[in-house]
Amino acid sequence: SQQGEEDPQALSIQEGENATMNCSYKTSINNLQWYRQNSGRGLVHLILIRSNEREKHSGRLRVTLDTSKKSSSLLITASRAADTASYFCATDPRGGNKLTFGTGTQLKVEL
Amino acid sequence: ETGVTQTPRHLVMGMTNKKSLKCEQHLGHNAMYWYKQSAKKPLELMFVYNFKEQTENNSVPSRFSPECPNSSHLFLHLHTLQPEDSALYLCASSQEGASTDTQYFGPGTRLTVL
Repeated sequence: SQQGEEDPQALSIQEGENATMNCSYKTSINNLQWYRQNSGRGLVHLILIRSNEREKHSGRLRVTLDTSKKSSSLLITASRAADTASYFCATDPRGGNKLTFGTGTQLKVEL
Repeated sequence: ETGVTQTPRHLVMGMTNKKSLKCEQHLGHNAMYWYKQSAKKPLELMFVYNFKEQTENNSVPSRFSPECPNSSHLFLHLHTLQPEDSALYLCASSQEGASTDTQYFGPGTRLTVL
């Protein structure tokens, strides 16, 4: 069954605004990763957050993890047109040995 | 560039054709993966190879046949495909095949089955 589900499915914002995407999952995890995919291209790893971490930053990215709610959020601050892409969360279920990806959030940043 | 290349980038084939997708990684990784990405669906893991040995076959139909001759190369042989097999096929690699690894993806092969 699908482990990660992103919300919203699509998001359109203006350049300079912040973008927040959410990921919910069903079973306990070891870690959660966020990936980005430009149209028709492969996925690029953004950030990994472990189950014992609550928040992590990387440049303009901020990821939070709430294991009690089985959810994570990705915040992109001061968005740019170049941030236009699909964003996926990938979970590493406890007791499993493979990443499970969600359906993604399509982000469009307009000038 | 991520260090993972895939050829061809686009492929159109009939249902009776036989073709192969190729993936090569230049990162010195030991694990390689095939994923299928269809519109509106989650990324589907198809196969995993770790140190050239297949460690995962995610109930993939036999019309898809993987081959991993060495840790740097991965092939996906295709025969008698169906139109619903049309999708973006992504190859990825990671250091050890652990689920905590970062996976590095190629640009994908856009496959259309007529």
